[in-house]
Parts: sequence; C-alpha cells; structure tokens
Amino acid sequence: DADVTQTPRNRITKTGKRIMLECSQTKGHDRMYWYRQDPGLGLRLIYYSFDVKDINKGEISDGYSVSRQAQAKFSLSLESAIPNQTALYFCATSDGGRETQYFGPGTRLLVL
Amino acid sequence: AQKVTQAQTEISVVEKEDVTLDCVYETRDTTYYLFWYKQPPSGELVFLIRRNSFDEQNEISGRYSWNFQKSTSSFNFTITASQVVDSAVYFCALSEQGGSEKLVFGKGTKLTVNP
Repeated sequence: DADVTQTPRNRITKTGKRIMLECSQTKGHDRMYWYRQDPGLGLRLIYYSFDVKDINKGEISDGYSVSRQAQAKFSLSLESAIPNQTALYFCATSDGGRETQYFGPGTRLLVL
Repeated sequence: AQKVTQAQTEISVVEKEDVTLDCVYETRDTTYYLFWYKQPPSGELVFLIRRNSFDEQNEISGRYSWNFQKSTSSFNFTITASQVVDSAVYFCALSEQGGSEKLVFGKGTKLTVNP
C-alpha cells in the first residue's frame, strides 16, 4: 500500500462549490504539506503543518483552508472554488526539517 | 531569496544516448539541501536524491549520476544510456532553511527518450 494517499484522484467541480481534498499517510511523519502544480510553474506551497496544533500559510494560501485532523491526516479545502484553482494538487510528508519530502499521487482538480 | 533555475525546458534524445539535466540554484544559506524528483506521465512525484551542502561528492546510482559543484551553484543530473522509461519531467528543488522548510522547485525539464 502507498505511504501517502490522496482522495479523490480526480475531481470536476463548478465555480462557487466547496470542495475538500484529503491526504493520509502511514509514514509516521509529523510534517505535512500541500502544494499545487500548474503547467510550467513547478510546485508552490499552499499550507504546511508541523504537527496537529501547528498550521501555517504558504506562499499561495488565499482561497484555501486546511485541517489537520490527526498526525496522519491533512485536508485541503476550497471554500468557493474558482477556475484559476484548476491544478494538480499534491500532499507531501517529511520526518523533520529539510528531510526528504515524500509526495502523494496527486489530485487533478478542474473547476468549471 | 532562494531560487532554482532549470534552463532546459524540454530535451529530446534517442534511446541509449547520455543526457544531462542542468540545475542552478541561488541561496544565502550556508547549509542547505538539494533534491531531484521525477514526474512520469502518470503524474506522481518520485524522489530520486537528496544532497546536503557539505557533501560535494558526486553520486552514482545505476544509470543515474549527480554532479554537485558549490563553486558554480549547480547540481546537475546525468542519465547514462537513456531508456524510453526515463521519459518524464524532472524537477530540481532546494530546501529553505528555517520557517516552513518548504521545497523551492525549479520549473522542471521535460525529457523525452525516443526509441
């Protein structure tokens, strides 16, 4: 079984809808991250969490919120989706500062 | 500010050719980490290597090798005897000291290996 899983893997939604992307990990890592990938732009950090009570904004957090329900679970929400949030979203985990980040399989989101 | 530049947007080679993917980085940190990830057409991100700034030894793993040169702020990746399965987008990344320790990614190099 994969160490980092993301659900759903693909999602199509409409402008204005609320949507939640979920991430679970079995690696036992404390740190979890959400990134988005846009064509030609690489990956950019949305939110990160060092533990259940420590959640921080990344460089592009506007329009997003997160919830760290447990050490193993980190969810990303789009409260009111807009078309420019169409992207590939990745969850990642790591075991500490500047340790390797391991990525989930990604969620492809299309906002119409 | 930290920055990673992958100047080669796309590279196309014929199977069995050697290919080098360039990565140049900028940082004011004296301690930092560099990474390479592979993103095959299926979309997942696969970790390839992590290297800290104090270790300038080149690394070889099978057909893959990495050349880290602090003097030129480069961390280049060479695939020897390329294969069709090497076709992917390759990302170089730099860790940020303190704060989020987020990864700063280059924009990626798309490698196509033709049979």
